[in-house]
Amino acid sequence: EAGVAQSPRYKIIEKRQSVAFWCNPISGHATLYWYQQILGQGPKLLIQFQNNGVVDDSQLPKDRFSAERLKGVDSTLKIQPAKLEDSAVYLCASSPPKGAATGELFFGEGSRLTVL
Amino acid sequence: AQKVTQAQTEISVVEKEDVTLDCVYETRDTTYYLFWYKQPPSGELVFLIRRNSFDEQNEISGRYSWNFQKSTSSFNFTITASQVVDSAVYFCALSRNQAGTALIFGKGTTLSVSS
Repeated sequence: EAGVAQSPRYKIIEKRQSVAFWCNPISGHATLYWYQQILGQGPKLLIQFQNNGVVDDSQLPKDRFSAERLKGVDSTLKIQPAKLEDSAVYLCASSPPKGAATGELFFGEGSRLTVL
Repeated sequence: AQKVTQAQTEISVVEKEDVTLDCVYETRDTTYYLFWYKQPPSGELVFLIRRNSFDEQNEISGRYSWNFQKSTSSFNFTITASQVVDSAVYFCALSRNQAGTALIFGKGTTLSVSS
């Protein structure tokens, strides 16, 4: 079974530029999460999707961050314009549908963003 | 509100030493899940264990063991006879007892095992 795929693995941009990250979850996983992990800290939830609907985006800085999961499969996270403090690893995770879930999340390798 | 505290930022041990990573959590839920994840230098979070709040039995898996104590809201992780390959950042996490619920992570403990 293929794992959670993310791209790009690394991205370096200047502040005020835009960037987009892509995530393809494990096949059949209805729930998809984007986490932000700043160096030296634990991952922090940015947004959670259930199929193509948003479950929780309370910690997403909506003035500059946006995310979509239009067909309920893969997802894109965009930052525009980027700030220095957005330098972090952006982790995508997925979990199985209700009834099959164990509470465990399956994580991708992450996309490391450096904003200069 | 839910919160996970890992008070130990960094721990350094020599190979074959035993090491315990502490985790204290806060939640108002009566049922919940607790997790430990390992994050090696490659960056991918690797699932180690999930514990349901109903089950307070300690668990052992090879060199790993977990001590869950509801009375002190703690879920500590012990590595016996540590090895260099155990060097990583370890995260404790908490979620509600519902499928598809997001995890809340602690800040992590960086474990360095030297030979």
